Amino acid sequence: GAVVSQHPSRVICKSGTSVKIECRSLDFQATTMFWYRQFPKQSLMLMATSNEGSKATYEQGVEKDKFLINHASLTLSTLTVTSAHPEDSSFYICSASGNRGNSGNTIYFGEGSWLTVV
Amino acid sequence: KQEVTQIPAALSVPEGENLVLNCSFTDSAIYNLQWFRQDPGKGLTSLLLIQSSQREQTSGRLNASLDKSSGRSTLYIAASQPGDSATYLCAVRPKGSARQLTFGSGTQLTVLP
Repeated sequence: GAVVSQHPSRVICKSGTSVKIECRSLDFQATTMFWYRQFPKQSLMLMATSNEGSKATYEQGVEKDKFLINHASLTLSTLTVTSAHPEDSSFYICSASGNRGNSGNTIYFGEGSWLTVV
Repeated sequence: KQEVTQIPAALSVPEGENLVLNCSFTDSAIYNLQWFRQDPGKGLTSLLLIQSSQREQTSGRLNASLDKSSGRSTLYIAASQPGDSATYLCAVRPKGSARQLTFGSGTQLTVLP
């Protein structure tokens, strides 16, 4: 079963509104979570690294005020796209890293979230 | 800065053929390399993970090799099936404490029945 759960899987929102995407580690404590973005027919690009209890580290070119990341607990990180515009329409996917049983420090991916801004 | 390139960008083969997907990376200081499958509109499915000390990994009809010194990896798919049609992504994880992955642009595979 899924180790990292992402919700919602699909969301449509109106231009100018904000939308929140959740990423949960289901059976381990994720000290670090990563948020990626994928435009159609392109690869995944890292947006930011989210560490529990501290501010996220954003990649160059990613607006921190537009893409708010909160990692308030060891099992939950959220990405909020504020004042969404149609160009923000994309596939957003998270990954989580932490010790899970005997798997060591493996990275697990969520199922991804499709955002459409109309 | 690590760059990952995948060739070809798209590949179409008849069912039953064996095929090879290529992945190259510019910085050989990697912790591991991973191959993923992505179906249209879906998330990522991890196929094979090769640690930097390993040369290859096998799972069923899939075999992935790693030549760290030359910055190359291949994914070999034997006896391809229409169900193998998907986009295949390779990603490298850097050495050290960082755990974010750098992805290639993917190879879109179509296996024709």
